[in-house]
Amino acid sequence: GENVEQHPSTLSVQEGDSAVIKCTYSDSASNYFPWYKQELGKRPQLIIDIRSNVGEKKDQRIAVTLNKTAKHFSLHITETQPEDSAVYFCAAKTGSNYKLTFGKGTLLTVNP
Amino acid sequence: DADVTQTPRNRITKTGKRIMLECSQTKGHDRMYWYRQDPGLGLRLIYYSFDVKDINKGEISDGYSVSRQAQAKFSLSLESAIPNQTALYFCATSDSGRDEQFFGPGTRLTVL
Repeated sequence: GENVEQHPSTLSVQEGDSAVIKCTYSDSASNYFPWYKQELGKRPQLIIDIRSNVGEKKDQRIAVTLNKTAKHFSLHITETQPEDSAVYFCAAKTGSNYKLTFGKGTLLTVNP
Repeated sequence: DADVTQTPRNRITKTGKRIMLECSQTKGHDRMYWYRQDPGLGLRLIYYSFDVKDINKGEISDGYSVSRQAQAKFSLSLESAIPNQTALYFCATSDSGRDEQFFGPGTRLTVL
């Protein structure tokens, strides 16, 4: 089955800096890659996603890039703000089924 | 607003007890999922259901069972709870033909 590795497990940045979280996946048939944000004590919520036919997608301060050849995808957050502090999860979905396999998460702390 | 709800939100029980966690949704989605979240391990799929008559095991189904009572209701049972089932449990839903999963608020279960 699919295996998703996520790095780093913790990331601390200064407000205004950029943050990058990277994930690799094992199944070349995976075709959907979402990123979820989970604030402390809250439920995970989708913040951005990308499909395998697209190399990059942006939504204001967040962007996701996908390298299908290397089987990795990354979340980029620019001009970080304290409210970006949360746990971020990447995930991958293989086209032959509809299950998401999640990475283990990255705790992002944005210091004021 | 259409939502995913879980009951109870917190539960403390003893080893060997039978526990049921309930999930309801008003989103009209046909697919429902149960995940377990442990610190440092991300979200792991326990069971999933694509319609009322379809139940499938996820990656960590041992010790758990589920029931899909209606399109809007999906229950998770622990037949004989053990301490290593102490975790945060999330229900999620998605619409057929769409990949985004929507999570409930979670149930924090402690098995003593």
